[in-house]
Amino acid sequence: AQSVTQLGSHVSVSEGALVLLRCNYSSSVPPYLFWYVQYPNQGLQLLLKYTSAATLVKGINGFEAEFKKSETSFHLTKPSAHMSDAAEYFCAVSETGNQFYFGTGTSLTVIP
Amino acid sequence: EAGVTQSPTHLIKTRGQQATLRCSPISGHTSVYWYQQALGLGLQFLLWYDEGEERNRGNFPPRFSGRQFPNYSSELNVNALELEDSALYLCASSLKTGGPAGNGELFFGEGSRLTVL
Repeated sequence: AQSVTQLGSHVSVSEGALVLLRCNYSSSVPPYLFWYVQYPNQGLQLLLKYTSAATLVKGINGFEAEFKKSETSFHLTKPSAHMSDAAEYFCAVSETGNQFYFGTGTSLTVIP
Repeated sequence: EAGVTQSPTHLIKTRGQQATLRCSPISGHTSVYWYQQALGLGLQFLLWYDEGEERNRGNFPPRFSGRQFPNYSSELNVNALELEDSALYLCASSLKTGGPAGNGELFFGEGSRLTVL
């Protein structure tokens, strides 16, 4: 069965500090993995995706994530947080590419 | 190119009434997904339609139903509304590309916020 666990429903970082949002997945086959961002009162926007190519995936707005099979993890990082990064972040997994399971989300607060 | 569009943006209903939400996918996308985003619960999968057929549904009661039209737009119906149905309902579309060759990316609309009083 597919599932996603996002550790930490709320994360606060100072502006300019490292952002680390954690995601662990469960899948019986090599999965597709995604990170989406949701700004207030908006839908979700794709940040980046892993589709079995390079294990280090670069996305938009300076975010990247590393697929670690041994740890079943796909953590999202950004070297330096910006005020505009404040949003809700969702990790998602798909085994088939057409059924998607989302984590419960992590709310990122950036402190000036 | 137009993105996924949803209507209405906001909807207020009372308990026991019915709500209908609509979604137009990106041109060329044949799959439509519906998710419920209730406060603090993340995204809960509701329904997946592709090529006019219901392909999968999440763990929701039968009063949640929908359909996909020949132009691939979709409608979500919620009957006998309950207070806990208050949520943001998100529609997403994708190309039917599943499997190793597919990219499986979902494109989301901005949602319809349903409030049940």
